[in-house]
Amino acid sequence: DAGITQSPRHKVTETGTPVTLRCHQTENHRYMYWYRQDPGHGLRLIHYSYGVKDTDKGEVSDGYSVSRSKTEDFLLTLESATSSQTSVYFCAISTRTPNSGNTIYFGEGSWLTVV
Amino acid sequence: AQSVTQLGSHVSVSEGALVLLRCNYSSSVPPYLFWYVQYPNQGLQLLLKYTSAATLVKGINGFEAEFKKSETSFHLTKPSAHMSDAAEYFCAVSATQGGSEKLVFGKGTKLTVNP
Repeated sequence: DAGITQSPRHKVTETGTPVTLRCHQTENHRYMYWYRQDPGHGLRLIHYSYGVKDTDKGEVSDGYSVSRSKTEDFLLTLESATSSQTSVYFCAISTRTPNSGNTIYFGEGSWLTVV
Repeated sequence: AQSVTQLGSHVSVSEGALVLLRCNYSSSVPPYLFWYVQYPNQGLQLLLKYTSAATLVKGINGFEAEFKKSETSFHLTKPSAHMSDAAEYFCAVSATQGGSEKLVFGKGTKLTVNP
């Protein structure tokens, strides 16, 4: 258990509405990530953060923004949700140990449906 | 840029048979390689990780993977499949960009175990 909590776990929203997903961690890890998972695509990185107020884009960042105002929380916002953003969203954190690099652990996922 | 190819989106085996899930990677630097398992409606769980300490890596639930640099492969095996192994399996490579580390995933292989 990497101490990651995602909320909400399930949400149905309408096209054009804003949506914010929250990722909360309890172990003070520096790196946090948002991935989306879609059938046939595996997991694709949306955005990641390497510290408070330090974020960068992943491979599928269009239509998404993120914020990290404190170490423990990483927010993913869909400014105006579209049906193509219906997906399962996973938050992840990275731990790093000497001589073994990073290991990424995932939250339980947030199922988002845009109708 | 790092990438991962998983050969076979679906693999079916009989209970008690050998499980072999194939993964080939591309990386310009010595890679860290991972296998994750995902059970239905759950998050991803780390099975095992290659960090260059040993080419044969043992993971949880009786799985192991062998790193073969000459073949750029990191195939996952288990000598005897159990019904509880039915899940989706993802191979991933660690990629470093600008000092930040993230995972690049394959598209996944869904394992079915037949009684």
